[in-house]
Amino acid sequence: AQTVTQSQPEMSVQEAETVTLSCTYDTSESNYYLFWYKQPPSRQMILVIRQEAYKQQNATENRFSVNFQKAAKSFSLKISDSQLGDTAMYFCAFMSAGTASKLTFGTGTRLQVTL
Amino acid sequence: DAGVIQSPRHEVTEMGQEVTLRCKPISGHDYLFWYRQTMMRGLELLIYFNNNVPIDDSGMPEDRFSAKMPNASFSTLKIQPSEPRDSAVYFCASSFRQTNQPQHFGDGTRLSIL
Repeated sequence: AQTVTQSQPEMSVQEAETVTLSCTYDTSESNYYLFWYKQPPSRQMILVIRQEAYKQQNATENRFSVNFQKAAKSFSLKISDSQLGDTAMYFCAFMSAGTASKLTFGTGTRLQVTL
Repeated sequence: DAGVIQSPRHEVTEMGQEVTLRCKPISGHDYLFWYRQTMMRGLELLIYFNNNVPIDDSGMPEDRFSAKMPNASFSTLKIQPSEPRDSAVYFCASSFRQTNQPQHFGDGTRLSIL
């Protein structure tokens, strides 16, 4: 079974600064997908970024980028130029590329962006 | 495009009552997922469907929980009888060709069992 670990329950960053959220996972599979989801106080689950394991290039989406280290099974999220609207819970998630797969979530990191 | 639509947004009921949560997936999506989120256990997958057929219900906690998908545009999650420990936020999500596309979530139903 796959496991996803987010070791930082809470983090804080000042507006306009950069912050990195950590995520590690454990799997015996070679092909899979990794995701970061954001859950603001409104409770929505919003996809931030995704990474295919077979792609070596790190995914980027505007101010969000990942550092994907497949050998180390690490998938960190970097938020540049943090904004107040980035305040949310951030969940790392794993999905097997197999046909009978499901999304396995980490426990989340609560990010607070301050003035 | 409309996203995943869940109803009700909030539900408060007394223990022992039947609770039905509803979900309308994104049109054209062939996978539908039900998740439960609690402080203690985080986000857990309860069950998922492919083309209206249940594929994996190993996450359904007990026989009190049941889920159906009578057609491609509607699914229900039912709890009967409900208990206080069922209090949680229940999310529905849908995706197209599950292995290639991310899941899109609804806004969730906050369920409180008194």
